[in-house]
Amino acid sequence: EDQVTQSPEALRLQEGESSSLNCSYTVSGLRGLFWYRQDPGKGPEFLFTLYSAGEEKEKERLKATLTKKESFLHITAPKPEDSATYLCAVQTLESSASKIIFGSGTRLSIRP
Amino acid sequence: DAGITQSPRHKVTETGTPVTLRCHQTENHRYMYWYRQDPGHGLRLIHYSYGVKDTDKGEVSDGYSVSRSKTEDFLLTLESATSSQTSVYFCAIGGSIYEQYFGPGTRLTVT
Repeated sequence: EDQVTQSPEALRLQEGESSSLNCSYTVSGLRGLFWYRQDPGKGPEFLFTLYSAGEEKEKERLKATLTKKESFLHITAPKPEDSATYLCAVQTLESSASKIIFGSGTRLSIRP
Repeated sequence: DAGITQSPRHKVTETGTPVTLRCHQTENHRYMYWYRQDPGHGLRLIHYSYGVKDTDKGEVSDGYSVSRSKTEDFLLTLESATSSQTSVYFCAIGGSIYEQYFGPGTRLTVT
């Protein structure tokens, strides 16, 4: 069964303390892996799409990487405004757009 | 929100009544999606559209129907609302299957 698991469920960091969020997936074939940021009461905000193992993408303090079994979202020197829930989603190869599986997210809190 | 609006933003309705949620986009994107988000389940796809009058079912389509008569509008209908359909509903749009931009959401409560 196709599955996406995010860890940890929640993470509290001090401002400037770098860390990583994990998204592990079990799918029969990967078409694309997506990262989103979601603030309370709002819709998810698109961050990155990764397509193949070894690929990396960066945006400000965020860097996403992809291996054959997992993806990491690295946060360097975070600021309080980086506090949000980060969602990972996977689209499988033999599926249409209907098979996009979201993880449950990691709630990130950055203390000043 | 990438030129995407949802209406209404909040709705309270009674069990058994029909409900229609509207998603409107100004981006002329081909793909449109309806998701629901519930604690413990994350985001789950209800239905999606890959063009005018072209729609397909997602993971949790039972009890929902959709229509897309214009590129810019995607309607989600609950024919007879149930308490299990209390949720936050998100619409998303995309120019390709590799991108999805989400709307602000509709909070629906079925009493």
